[in-house]
Amino acid sequence: AQSVTQLGSHVSVSEGALVLLRCNYSSSVPPYLFWYVQYPNQGLQLLLKYTTGATLVKGINGFEAEFKKSETSFHLTKPSAHMSDAAEYFCAVSEDSGGYQKVTFGTGTKLQVIP
Amino acid sequence: DVKVTQSSRYLVKRTGEKVFLECVQDMDHENMFWYRQDPGLGLRLIYFSYDVKMKEKGDIPEGYSVSREKKERFSLILESASTNQTSMYLCASSLLRQGGSTDTQYFGPGTRLTVL
Repeated sequence: AQSVTQLGSHVSVSEGALVLLRCNYSSSVPPYLFWYVQYPNQGLQLLLKYTTGATLVKGINGFEAEFKKSETSFHLTKPSAHMSDAAEYFCAVSEDSGGYQKVTFGTGTKLQVIP
Repeated sequence: DVKVTQSSRYLVKRTGEKVFLECVQDMDHENMFWYRQDPGLGLRLIYFSYDVKMKEKGDIPEGYSVSREKKERFSLILESASTNQTSMYLCASSLLRQGGSTDTQYFGPGTRLTVL
């Protein structure tokens, strides 16, 4: 069974500082990995995803994530935080389950950006 | 742009009431999903549907049922609402049916349900 662990339910950074949100996964098959963002009072939207190929994946709003198979990690980074990045971030792993997509989400990390 | 809409943003119901949550997507997606989101627990899958009139149980189906009479519409039903069903409910859709493990899920804005 697949699972996702997000370290830190709350992360605070200063505006302009590096953002690092951690995600570790377990999966019995090569994983497909996603990061979604949820702004206040909204649904989730895709930031980026890893399927195959290049392990460094670039997403929207300057975010990127690197798939490290040896560490079973898919950490999300952004070089310089902006106030508009304040949101909740969810890591997710997807695999085929009986022919259908099974997605398991992490418990989320709320990012606070301090001016 | 894919649009997923949910019938209500906020809903307050009483214990024992039958509750309907509606979700509509406008991009001809095959798959539709219902999740509940609770603090510290992330998103948990209640039910999903890969075709009209088809449904599959997710991880926490107890106390819920679903209906998909048309491809674009997926309804979540609470037959007899209870206080432990107070939560945020998120609907999502994705394009492909089988073999779609790389598909992006598109989410609606959510319905915050309070059961008193």
